[in-house]
Parts: sequence; structure tokens; C-alpha cells
Amino acid sequence: DAMVIQNPRYQVTQFGKPVTLSCSQTLNHNVMYWYQQKSSQAPKLLFHYYDKDFNNEADTPDNFQSRRPNTSFCFLDIRSPGLGDAAMYLCATSRDRYEGNQPQHFGDGTRLSIL
Amino acid sequence: AQKITQTQPGMFVQEKEAVTLDCTYDTSDQSYGLFWYKQPSSGEMIFLIYQGSYDEQNATEGRYSLNFQKARKSANLVISASQLGDSAMYFCAMREGERDSSYKLIFGSGTRLLVRP
Repeated sequence: DAMVIQNPRYQVTQFGKPVTLSCSQTLNHNVMYWYQQKSSQAPKLLFHYYDKDFNNEADTPDNFQSRRPNTSFCFLDIRSPGLGDAAMYLCATSRDRYEGNQPQHFGDGTRLSIL
Repeated sequence: AQKITQTQPGMFVQEKEAVTLDCTYDTSDQSYGLFWYKQPSSGEMIFLIYQGSYDEQNATEGRYSLNFQKARKSANLVISASQLGDSAMYFCAMREGERDSSYKLIFGSGTRLLVRP
């Protein structure tokens, strides 16, 4: 089945220690998104890639970076995680950016804990 | 002002009964799309149903239907014959169609549904 896969499901890191979360997709979609979701809140868009074109949201902290080496993979790098970065991180894809009726397809998420 | 409002933080429903989850939205665009997602406790976001602003018929997908009232700017999700597996957080989301930011999904704050046996 075509899908969006996130690894790992659970990640524990130390305060200040860089961490990388990964996302892969078999849908061959052009757009990949990263969301941060804190407990009992709605997902918050951090950034997205349209093909190789990176688009940062204005309020995304500099601590968060992303890489998309090819169509299938996208990584979220947190350079110096703080306690406030503990959250669920969701990766999503869509076929295109502006096709209004196309849903975003989400992975299972990575739950990040900071010690 | 919030663009998507879900006024029910939590709801209960008895198994096999129908339940309506409320969603109102605010936009000045004529073209927009409305989505409902389900998020179980395990965390994945599952797409349920879509309604376009120009769609004349209410969307339906199996046990899910969308009660779309354009003049009232509401897009309520109706789940018929509730099952225990329907217990989850439900998010209403909108994509506005006429601006540079229309790639974004704007989410409501969610409604937590608990189905009682």
C-alpha cells in the first residue's frame, strides 16, 4: 500500500542534543510537510517542500531545519532541542500545493521526548 | 479571529447511535475546501471526508457525512452508528483557495469523542 512512513515512532533525546526525524513516502507526491503537535492542540505547520523548493513558516524557530534529498524522503533536524520542543511531529504529503480538493496524507507521527 | 471553530472540546455518544461534531469557519474566499481528520490516541491523522465550497451536495463517505450549510459557514461531521473504534480526536480543517497561503490547512482545536459501550 502506498503510504507515508515516519521513523522512529518514539524518540528520546537529551536537552541540547541534535536529533533527526525521518519521513518517507511511496505516494510520489510533490509536496511534503512537517507539523508540530503539542498535547491536546491542533497541528502547527513548520515548513513544507514543494519538490526541492523549501518553504519556511514565518514563526518557525531557527532551531528547526529540514532536508529533502529526493522525492521520497524528508528529514526534520532539531539542532538544539529544548524542553518546549517535546511534541508529536507529523509528516504529511500532498500531490500538489494548490489542488483544493486533495487531502494531505499523514504518517503515524514521531513522539519526541526531551530529557 | 479564529478561522475554524470547534466549540465542543469533548463529547460522549452511545455505541450504535449517531453523533454530530460541530465546525464553523470564517473566510472571505469564494473557493475553499473543508476537511475532517480523525486522530486516534496512537497519533496518526486519518483523512475522513472533504467538502468543496462549490459542491452542491453534502459529502458522504460510508458512515461519515458532512452537513454543509454554506450561508451559516458550518460544516458539521455526522457519524452514524457509532463504533467503539470511533473514539478519537476529530479535527476540522480548511484550505482557502484564493491566496498564496492556500497550500496550508487551517485546523480547528479539535473535539475528543468517546464512544460508550
